[in-house]
Amino acid sequence: QVQLVESGGGVVQPGRSLRLSCAASGFTFSNYAMYWVRQAPGKGLEWVALISYDGSDKNYVDSVKGRFTISRDNSKNTLYLQMNSLRTEDTAVYYCARDTTPMVHGLGAFAYWGQGTLVTVSS
Amino acid sequence: SYVLTQPPSVSVAPGKTARITCGGNNIESKSVHWYQQKPGQAPVVVIYYDSDRPSGIPERFSGSNSGNTATLTISGVEAGDEADFYCQVWDSTSDVVFGGGTKLTVL
Repeated sequence: QVQLVESGGGVVQPGRSLRLSCAASGFTFSNYAMYWVRQAPGKGLEWVALISYDGSDKNYVDSVKGRFTISRDNSKNTLYLQMNSLRTEDTAVYYCARDTTPMVHGLGAFAYWGQGTLVTVSS
Repeated sequence: SYVLTQPPSVSVAPGKTARITCGGNNIESKSVHWYQQKPGQAPVVVIYYDSDRPSGIPERFSGSNSGNTATLTISGVEAGDEADFYCQVWDSTSDVVFGGGTKLTVL
């Protein structure tokens, strides 16, 4: 069965960096676009970043552009989110998610989600 | 950028029908996906491509999309349906938009 397991969250001071990982199993990872979605405490869902199945296309929500970098290692079935210059407003649970449809992005739903990893940015 | 508007809350008695709306400019031209999120859990897709239901989702969940409003309908609401619901669309092939979420309360 499809499994997505996030790791790397924790408490970090403003301005510091953190790298999240998402280990995928139960499907052909290299065939699917992947996403990061976050949820601040008591708030709604916010899409953060996407990466196409082959890594050739990436995009970010405006609030993280220039600070966050999404990447993937298809040989390790792992998705990453490098977060630099962290701000208090980046505090959230970060979920990785997989697209419904192989080889494409831009139309489908987020079919599978991990359990999330909490990032707390605080001095 | 594209904006999706949901009511903050919807209340319904058990056994009745709940309708959760998602408003957006000419939203009928987009595919709308719906997620259910229970406290402390990750979201789960309950409707995708406006009205398709993933395997394992009860037939009580249905969706429609017309004009400027998409609607998630839950028939015969049960206590276990109480959750936050989010709609989602693609603004372009590279921008994802979520609605603000609707808290469904079963009275």
